[in-house]
Amino acid sequence: NAGVTQTPKFRVLKTGQSMTLLCAQDMNHEYMYWYRQDPGMGLRLIHYSVGEGTTAKGEVPDGYNVSRLKKQNFLLGLESAAPSQTSVYFCASSSFGGFGYTFGSGTRLTVV
Amino acid sequence: GNSVTQMEGPVTLSEEAFLTINCTYTATGYPSLFWYVQYPGEGLQLLLKATKADDKGSNKGFEATYRKETTSFHLEKGSVQVSDSAVYFCALIIQGAQKLVFGQGTRLTINP
Repeated sequence: NAGVTQTPKFRVLKTGQSMTLLCAQDMNHEYMYWYRQDPGMGLRLIHYSVGEGTTAKGEVPDGYNVSRLKKQNFLLGLESAAPSQTSVYFCASSSFGGFGYTFGSGTRLTVV
Repeated sequence: GNSVTQMEGPVTLSEEAFLTINCTYTATGYPSLFWYVQYPGEGLQLLLKATKADDKGSNKGFEATYRKETTSFHLEKGSVQVSDSAVYFCALIIQGAQKLVFGQGTRLTINP
């Protein structure tokens, strides 16, 4: 069982570059989430989705876009990366909100 | 709004010491409460949960009791091991809501 898989695991970007982080889950979960984790600030929700074709903003959505074209995939895009987006990004999924969150192992992104 | 406050870290203990990590919450509705653990280089894993007042969640020697009167969900372990070194997150979700709210995390280091 793969659970939640994030790719890539590490990435270094230059300011202004764009990239897409991919999250894939094989548990048929309806809900998917993108968080960022910064030192001393815990996890902050960027965007989330409650089903295929839906997305919603979290606490810190600015500078990010998301898409959920297929139920198993949730993509996080950075159109023009900034140093403030240097962080560790975690994807999670759940069968219904809150209970049984499964997290991916994270993507460490550095923007220089 | 809904929020979770954890004791500030880092916390450093010797092996076999007693552990308490404090967690208090504010909630507009009736929450379920969780503790998640993050080992180095990994995503978060559910450690334990409680869904109603006076419930006690337990797992791997850790315990936490849902105290509605003090709006608290403190994590305890009687005798910690080096392998318990990790970051611990308290979290809540309101019934009917779609996403967890996390505390800022507490880093725990256990020395042999």
